[in-house]
Amino acid sequence: GDSVTQMEGPVTLSEEAFLTINCTYTATGYPSLFWYVQYPGEGLQLLLKATKADDKGSNKGFEATYRKETTSFHLEKGSVQVSDSAVYFCALTSGGSNYKLTFGKGTLLTVNP
Amino acid sequence: DSGVTQTPKHLITATGQRVTLRCSPRSGDLSVYWYQQSLDQGLQFLIQYYNGEERAKGNILERFSAQQFPDLHSELNLSSLELGDSALYFCASSAPGGGRGSPLHFGNGTRLTVT
Repeated sequence: GDSVTQMEGPVTLSEEAFLTINCTYTATGYPSLFWYVQYPGEGLQLLLKATKADDKGSNKGFEATYRKETTSFHLEKGSVQVSDSAVYFCALTSGGSNYKLTFGKGTLLTVNP
Repeated sequence: DSGVTQTPKHLITATGQRVTLRCSPRSGDLSVYWYQQSLDQGLQFLIQYYNGEERAKGNILERFSAQQFPDLHSELNLSSLELGDSALYFCASSAPGGGRGSPLHFGNGTRLTVT
C-alpha cells in the first residue's frame, strides 16, 4: 500500500536558518505529492503540491521538488521565521476512484528568535 | 478559514458512551473525508463519502460509522467509546472533478476526550 516516511522531529532552528524536512514515499502508479502545515489549535492547511515528476511546488518561501527517481519530496526554506513554527506533514494521493491522502507522521518545527 | 465547519470543538464523555461529530463541507464540495489524529498513530484515514455515497474506507473500527446527508453535511458516529478513542477528529472536503491533484480542505477538528 501507499506510505509516506518523513524525518522525525522535533526540529529546532534559530530564525533565518535553513530548513530541510525529508520526505520519501512508496506508492502505486503516479502519486500527487503535498505538504500540509498545522498551526497550534488549527486544522491542516495546504502548503504546496506537485502532481508530476520534476514539478516544483512553492509557497510562502517554502519549496519542494517531486523526485521520481529517489521517490522523495523534501521540504526546504532558505530562511525560517518564528511564525513558521508548526507541524509539517508530507502526504500523497495515488490512483483509484478516491483521492484520500496518506500522511507521514508529521515533523514539529520550532523556530526561536 | 478553510470553509469546512466542524462541531463541536471539544467533547468530553465517558467510556461506553456514544457521540456524534458533525461536519459541513465547503460550498460546492461533494467529497467528505474523516481522519483521526492521535499522538501514537498520527493521521489515519477513516472513511470518505462522495455525494452521499461511501467511496472509500480506511482504518475505521466497526464501532464507528458515518454518513453523508442530501445537503452534503456528514456525521461521524462513535459508539461504545474506549479510552483509546481519545483523539482529534478531522473532517476534510474536496471539490468535484479535481482529480488526484486536488487538495483537501480541513476543518479545525473535534477534540474527543474519553474518561
